[in-house]
Amino acid sequence: GENVEQHPSTLSVQEGDSAVIKCTYSDSASNYFPWYKQELGKRPQLIIDIRSNVGEKKDQRIAVTLNKTAKHFSLHITETQPEDSAVYFCAATPRGKLIFGQGTELSVKP
Amino acid sequence: DVKVTQSSRYLVKRTGEKVFLECVQDMDHENMFWYRQDPGLGLRLIYFSYDVKMKEKGDIPEGYSVSREKKERFSLILESASTNQTSMYLCASSPGQTQETQYFGPGTRLLVL
Repeated sequence: GENVEQHPSTLSVQEGDSAVIKCTYSDSASNYFPWYKQELGKRPQLIIDIRSNVGEKKDQRIAVTLNKTAKHFSLHITETQPEDSAVYFCAATPRGKLIFGQGTELSVKP
Repeated sequence: DVKVTQSSRYLVKRTGEKVFLECVQDMDHENMFWYRQDPGLGLRLIYFSYDVKMKEKGDIPEGYSVSREKKERFSLILESASTNQTSMYLCASSPGQTQETQYFGPGTRLLVL
């Protein structure tokens, strides 16, 4: 069935280091891949997204890459800062539905 | 700015009670969703609605029902609350014909005793 696997479940980095979160999806019909950030006690908010006709998208310190052949996509955060600490969710859209990954709790230590 | 609001941030209910969670969006979005968020399980879809009076089951609809009488309002109903329904409940809305770009409410943390 439709499934999105997200790894790792927790990630701890030092301030200034890079962080990478990976997701794989099962349905090759997926064509839209958003990433949401949820800070502690707050609502999830869209931070970046990518469509299947693009291999990479960048917005300041965050970037997303997509490998359609392998059916996986990744979020890259460079020069991490303490305010990047949050839970990050990836999602895919098989046949119009939005399926979320299990979430990654990122902790950036000063 | 899209605004999605939920009626309560925290709720404490007793087993067997009927519980209503309300969600309102102010952007005339066609689609509205109810998710349940539990640690390690991500966001799981309970129900969604793509139009007034229309609803579809998500991945975990058992023990829940929904109501959408007006476009801006989507209610989640726990007919008889149980302790395993203790969770964070998130409402979301999105425009158009697909479920892309969802805007979330602040969440309701429900404790069932």
